Amino acid sequence: RKEVEQDPGPFNVPEGATVAFNCTYSNSASQSFFWYRQDCRKEPKLLMSVYSSGNEDGRFTAQLNRASQYISLLIRDSKLSDSATYLCAVIQGGKLIFGQGTELSVKP
Amino acid sequence: GAGVSQSPRYKVAKRGQDVALRCDPISGHVSLFWYQQALGQGPEFLTYFQNEAQLDKSGLPSDRFFAERPEGSVSTLKIQRTQQEDSAVYLCASSPPGTGYYGYTFGSGTRLTVV
Repeated sequence: RKEVEQDPGPFNVPEGATVAFNCTYSNSASQSFFWYRQDCRKEPKLLMSVYSSGNEDGRFTAQLNRASQYISLLIRDSKLSDSATYLCAVIQGGKLIFGQGTELSVKP
Repeated sequence: GAGVSQSPRYKVAKRGQDVALRCDPISGHVSLFWYQQALGQGPEFLTYFQNEAQLDKSGLPSDRFFAERPEGSVSTLKIQRTQQEDSAVYLCASSPPGTGYYGYTFGSGTRLTVV
């Protein structure tokens, strides 16, 4: 079993839709949690950190459930420019461990 | 520089050839990480340095892979006797001192193709 697992993709949604990504991690000692965005043939870029209390940044909401070892990302009112691969990542043993990523395609 | 710089951007190597990939981290970032990303997959951890000390090399797939950071700044990932399965994007990331709260900043990567 992989240490960090994500929903398989791709997700194809129309503009304006709400889309949710889920991620589970296996090591309960995991520390910090993140969502990264990766555009085609580009490097991952930090989208947002994830806090136990949940956090929101505009149309993006991230949540962490430590008891269930589960992380989520919600994108509301999706835009064409949101099309990318979304990677969840956790800090384990001082290093960042990624999930396999979920591809999102927002269509007009 | 302003960001993490990697070179070369692209590398084509013949099977059996040795390659060296360079990473120049953000100034002041003591932690440096190497990742391997195969097509359609997330980045896979290879190795980690804090200053010049290699603290974790558990992700290196074989003894053909070697990384160094002799002066605690620039790092080189070397792959000896390249094989086709080594074809991937090699990403370098750096982070400032601390617990990793801020996340890592990645370079643009080196796309290695072994033919």
